[in-house]
Amino acid sequence: AQSVTQPDIHITVSEGASLELRCNYSYGATPYLFWYVQSPGQGLQLLLKYFSGDTLVQGIKGFEAEFKRSQSSFNLRKPSVHWSDAAEYFCAVGGQAGTALIFGKGTTLSVSS
Amino acid sequence: KAGVTQTPRYLIKTRGQQVTLSCSPISGHRSVSWYQQTPGQGLQFLFEYFSETQRNKGNFPGRFSGRQFSNSRSEMNVSTLELGDSALYLCASSSNIGGRVETQYFGPGTRLLVL
Repeated sequence: AQSVTQPDIHITVSEGASLELRCNYSYGATPYLFWYVQSPGQGLQLLLKYFSGDTLVQGIKGFEAEFKRSQSSFNLRKPSVHWSDAAEYFCAVGGQAGTALIFGKGTTLSVSS
Repeated sequence: KAGVTQTPRYLIKTRGQQVTLSCSPISGHRSVSWYQQTPGQGLQFLFEYFSETQRNKGNFPGRFSGRQFSNSRSEMNVSTLELGDSALYLCASSSNIGGRVETQYFGPGTRLLVL
């Protein structure tokens, strides 16, 4: 079955500390991977995506993610978290055109001062 | 370019009523997808339209329907509303040029409350 697992429901990180959000996927075809962020009451904003090529991808707001095929993972990282990063983060996997994105349940990030 | 727009942003209906939500994709995008977001089920795919044709459908009852117009704008309709239909409905558009995978860009959503 196709699925995305985000093991951490809620994470609290001190401002300035590093962050890693975990994502594992199960997908039968070639996976195309995404990270989105959602602030309260807002839609989803794309942070970064992986289609092919270099397994370390850079995104907006200083985020990066690494695709590891052997571990079926696509973890999101940021070296230094800012208070404005507090939001909900969603990992998603999709396939060819016309197929649906399959989302994880999301990880809520809180940033403490 | 303007982003994906959705109207209305907020809606309150009562059980048994029907509702129509609208989505205008990014200019030039021909694919529009709809998702339902609830605290319990998370983000779930409803359907996807491309060039006025439904190309893919999620596992939702027939009360949920949609359509796409020649200008790529899309509407979704929910008939005979139930309390469980209360959710944030998100629309996403992508260019889908040449059938390759493309990034989906999301609108701000329509928050539907069914009383």
